[in-house]
Amino acid sequence: DSGVTQTPKHLITATGQRVTLRCSPRSGDLSVYWYQQSLDQGLQFLIQYYNGEERAKGNILERFSAQQFPDLHSELNLSSLELGDSALYFCASSGGGQIPWGFYNEQFFGPGTRLTVL
Amino acid sequence: AQTVTQSQPEMSVQEAETVTLSCTYDTSESNYYLFWYKQPPSRQMILVIRQEAYKQQNATENRFSVNFQKAAKSFSLKISDSQLGDTAMYFCAFTKTGANSKLTFGKGITLSVRP
Repeated sequence: DSGVTQTPKHLITATGQRVTLRCSPRSGDLSVYWYQQSLDQGLQFLIQYYNGEERAKGNILERFSAQQFPDLHSELNLSSLELGDSALYFCASSGGGQIPWGFYNEQFFGPGTRLTVL
Repeated sequence: AQTVTQSQPEMSVQEAETVTLSCTYDTSESNYYLFWYKQPPSRQMILVIRQEAYKQQNATENRFSVNFQKAAKSFSLKISDSQLGDTAMYFCAFTKTGANSKLTFGKGITLSVRP
């Protein structure tokens, strides 16, 4: 158990709909990352939040948005869903903040949310 | 931008034998980390091993070891004494150092361990 929780585990919805995926990071972690795993695109970084602020953006569609709340949990909102949005969405968390040069804050992955768009 | 390439989509190995999974990467960064992640059928992402680019010594974790060739930008994973539980998808990943840095993944390789 990584300590990162994601809800729901599975989500089935129709094209054109909007869904919200939720992530609770490990206790004390300030950074939250969202990744998408699909058959054709593989594992891709979507977006990162650090202590409530957007820190980095990857291949995130304009129909997708995210936020991190004061309690540090994060939500990924997917709207106007298309068949191609069907994927496994992972959240990962890490400590963030100032660390010594050359070091890295390990990311801990949640179990993922399986989204199926019909 | 960084890229990670895993050119072998699938591999198979007999139980108790050794298998090597290949990965190459491209970056202009001088300091970075490389990882191998395992994704079993449960879909959980499990960190297998990591290598700091500034360390010359190859990382080892029990039956798992890497061959890190910095000049060639190559990072292969060797699994010794393969077990049925090693059957999974394996991803090579890269990140820059620093407090907040995304992971860049390869396409992954499906490893099957035969009894």
